[in-house]
Amino acid sequence: EAEVAQSPRYKITEKSQAVAFWCDPISGHATLYWYRQILGQGPELLVQFQDESVVDDSQLPKDRFSAERLKGVDSTLKIQPAELGDSAMYLCASSFSLGVRTEAFFGQGTRLTVV
Amino acid sequence: DAKTTQPPSMDCAEGRAANLPCNHSTISGNEYVYWYRQIHSQGPQYIIHGLKNNETNEMASLIITEDRKSSTLILPHATLRDTAVYYCIAATGGSNYKLTFGKGTLLTVNP
Repeated sequence: EAEVAQSPRYKITEKSQAVAFWCDPISGHATLYWYRQILGQGPELLVQFQDESVVDDSQLPKDRFSAERLKGVDSTLKIQPAELGDSAMYLCASSFSLGVRTEAFFGQGTRLTVV
Repeated sequence: DAKTTQPPSMDCAEGRAANLPCNHSTISGNEYVYWYRQIHSQGPQYIIHGLKNNETNEMASLIITEDRKSSTLILPHATLRDTAVYYCIAATGGSNYKLTFGKGTLLTVNP
């Protein structure tokens, strides 16, 4: 069964350092999402792509976070510089099309710890 | 998107039906009700969704009230592996489609 691939699974970084996460969505899925999940809370949408275009990045802290999906396939989320409050699970998801009748498939996530 | 309200936690005995309620009293006519679950340390998993008719698949059944202000997710024969946080989400379609997660319900299935 096709899966959303994310790497790394775990990342420990020092504050003020740069960190990057990678996501490979299910083949053919045009919509890609990045979520952040703080322990004990539900996932929060950071950015949503339709192909290579950003559809929604209203919750992305743009002073330190950036996301790209250059060829409309895989995607990278970057944090620079990392802060202690960025410690969280970062989840990537993809769906076939931009529409309400299609479910999103999530990856296993990247657990980030900033020390 | 409409706000949803769920109890923070529920318990269920293994083999019994688990009925998880969700209130979405401000849901609009074009919003679907989605259910996802998240097992510890994994990404969320899609379960089922519906607009106004009851829906059933291999995982669960979704019962939506006639006025669409609330719904119930039913796991007919809960197992220990169904222990997870269950999220009820109201989502519109089109270019603004996105899943907004709340805190969900922690369902604990007990032996």
